Amino acid sequence: EVQLVESGGDLVQPGGSLRLSCVVSGFTFGNHWMYWFRQPPGKGLVWVSRLNGDGSAIYADSVKGRFTISRDDAKNTLYLQMNSLRGEDTAVYYCARDFSDWGQGTMVTVSS
Amino acid sequence: DVVMTQSPLSLTVALGQPASISCRSSQSLVYSDGNTYLSWFQQRPGQSPRRLIYQVSNRNSGVPDRFSGSGSGTDFTLKISRVEADDVGVYYCMQNTHWYTFGQGTKLEIK
Repeated sequence: EVQLVESGGDLVQPGGSLRLSCVVSGFTFGNHWMYWFRQPPGKGLVWVSRLNGDGSAIYADSVKGRFTISRDDAKNTLYLQMNSLRGEDTAVYYCARDFSDWGQGTMVTVSS
Repeated sequence: DVVMTQSPLSLTVALGQPASISCRSSQSLVYSDGNTYLSWFQQRPGQSPRRLIYQVSNRNSGVPDRFSGSGSGTDFTLKISRVEADDVGVYYCMQNTHWYTFGQGTKLEIK
């Protein structure tokens, strides 16, 4: 059974940093594209970043240069390093595999 | 950027009745490989999104055949043949032909 479990969400001040984790099980990382999406409170879904099987990555313009997606195959964990956080980054963050499997989400709040 | 526009944004349907949601893109979603990368997601209250339909009309494993997708180019539709109580939630279309963009969401409620 495929499972994805996010963690790391927290309350952080503007300009701060946070690292989200997504522990996966039931499949091999390298065979799939992995994603981070986010959903601001009461709003719709937004794509954030994609990690390809070969380790290359792409980012939405709104987070480019501030966020970094990566993975640790030995730990079966996907990461999202978020720097220079802004109020508009406040959202529930979801990791997903190929759009078919999603985690439960982790809440990030950026506020002073 | 490709803009996805859904309508209606809110839908109230009686149990057992059909429901239809429209999704229009600001440019064609036909990719260079000939495929059209348009998906539909359901998000029940308090839950993570769940993909129902991919590439316009293909149902994900485990999705009831009450759900169907159709369309081409820039105009797409999600239909629920007979609405059940379990269908309450927000429905999103998403294109991944030109990066990734979601529609605003359509909230489905039961009458």
